[in-house]
Amino acid sequence: AQRVTQPEKLLSVFKGAPVELKCNYSYSGSPELFWYVQYSRQRLQLLLRHISRESIKGFTADLNKGETSFHLKKPFAQEEDSAMYYCALSALLTWMDSSYKLIFGSGTRLLVRP
Amino acid sequence: GAVVSQHPSWVICKSGTSVKIECRSLDFQATTMFWYRQFPKQSLMLMATSNEGSKATYEQGVEKDKFLINHASLTLSTLTVTSAHPEDSSFYICGGRVTVNTGELFFGEGSRLTVL
Repeated sequence: AQRVTQPEKLLSVFKGAPVELKCNYSYSGSPELFWYVQYSRQRLQLLLRHISRESIKGFTADLNKGETSFHLKKPFAQEEDSAMYYCALSALLTWMDSSYKLIFGSGTRLLVRP
Repeated sequence: GAVVSQHPSWVICKSGTSVKIECRSLDFQATTMFWYRQFPKQSLMLMATSNEGSKATYEQGVEKDKFLINHASLTLSTLTVTSAHPEDSSFYICGGRVTVNTGELFFGEGSRLTVL
């Protein structure tokens, strides 16, 4: 079964502290994973994807196929990082046309205190 | 990035009526549109996937006769909640995909439906 698990509903840290938002997935195929972020009163937007291996706003995430994880990390949290973070898996929708669907985890609210 | 406009942002209706939510891709052609439902303090649940000009693919447990999805053009997809009931009250979000076989979606602002 295709599944994305984010075990923490809320993560509260102080400004300047390291942050790690956990994400584990279950998928029999070759996974494509993403982190989406939703700031207060804004729409959901892409933060980063594992294929790009990029750092966005200081955040990085490494795909660990052995542990089936895609944790999001930032060495020094900032107050403006406070938001809702969703881990997402792109899973094959149908074998017939090779189209994909995006499955979300339950989300983790990050609160960065001053 | 690409922009998706969703309308209305909120709607209140009486039980038994139908409500239509529109999702437009403003500066790109969305070959595929995804419709999600979000309950309070919960994740986004995929309801259906629609490709332009073809029937939507519904997720298990989603009533296709209740949630009618139309994707008549590359820039417009609509979700109609038919004979709405209070349990249909929720936050509905659409996401448009530009490139085939990618998980990058551009989301609308969402529509909050309240059924009295």
